[in-house]
Amino acid sequence: GAVVSQHPSRVICKSGTSVKIECRSLDFQATTMFWYRQFPKQSLMLMATSNEGSKATYEQGVEKDKFLINHASLTLSTLTVTSAHPEDSSFYICSARDRAAGTMDTQYFGPGTRLTVL
Amino acid sequence: SQQGEEDPQALSIQEGENATMNCSYKTSINNLQWYRQNSGRGLVHLILIRSNEREKHSGRLRVTLDTSKKSSSLLITASRAADTASYFCATDSSGNTGKLIFGQGTTLQVKP
Repeated sequence: GAVVSQHPSRVICKSGTSVKIECRSLDFQATTMFWYRQFPKQSLMLMATSNEGSKATYEQGVEKDKFLINHASLTLSTLTVTSAHPEDSSFYICSARDRAAGTMDTQYFGPGTRLTVL
Repeated sequence: SQQGEEDPQALSIQEGENATMNCSYKTSINNLQWYRQNSGRGLVHLILIRSNEREKHSGRLRVTLDTSKKSSSLLITASRAADTASYFCATDSSGNTGKLIFGQGTTLQVKP
């Protein structure tokens, strides 16, 4: 089945540093990837839609200069949390849509990245 | 913004019992999906039901959709301890963008 990986799975950083999280579709091509954030015991909140070869579309209230998204290839999207602060500590999850015909409705989720900002 | 509301927020049952979770949403949808999340892990896609479907089965899972009431239910029959997880509904109202809006989730505990 379709697999999405995220790297790193866990990261601890100091306040003010930037952190890059990678999301890869391992066995399919994904023209669209999505980034979500999940706080403890809460649901997933969509942050942005990442489209290969174009700018990401951010949800209302998500700072695009704070959360930089790059989708440079059909199998890789990156989320960079710039100048991270403790309130950015969260579980970040990506998902990818398989561009193959007939499977566009299904999203495959990565295992998530736990970010802790000290 | 979160569209889906789920109830109950938490459910505790004995192994072998059935578990029913409900999801309500606000706008018209293309499809509704159910996902499972084990603690601290990613999401596993369980089942997708399209707006023109009323019921769907997959193994021990049964999903219903009532578009007139803007609600869906997930039934897990003959539950097992391994079913312990959080369950989320997610709606796709976006046309072709695939953007999903997740409900608040139901935490299910199945006691052995």
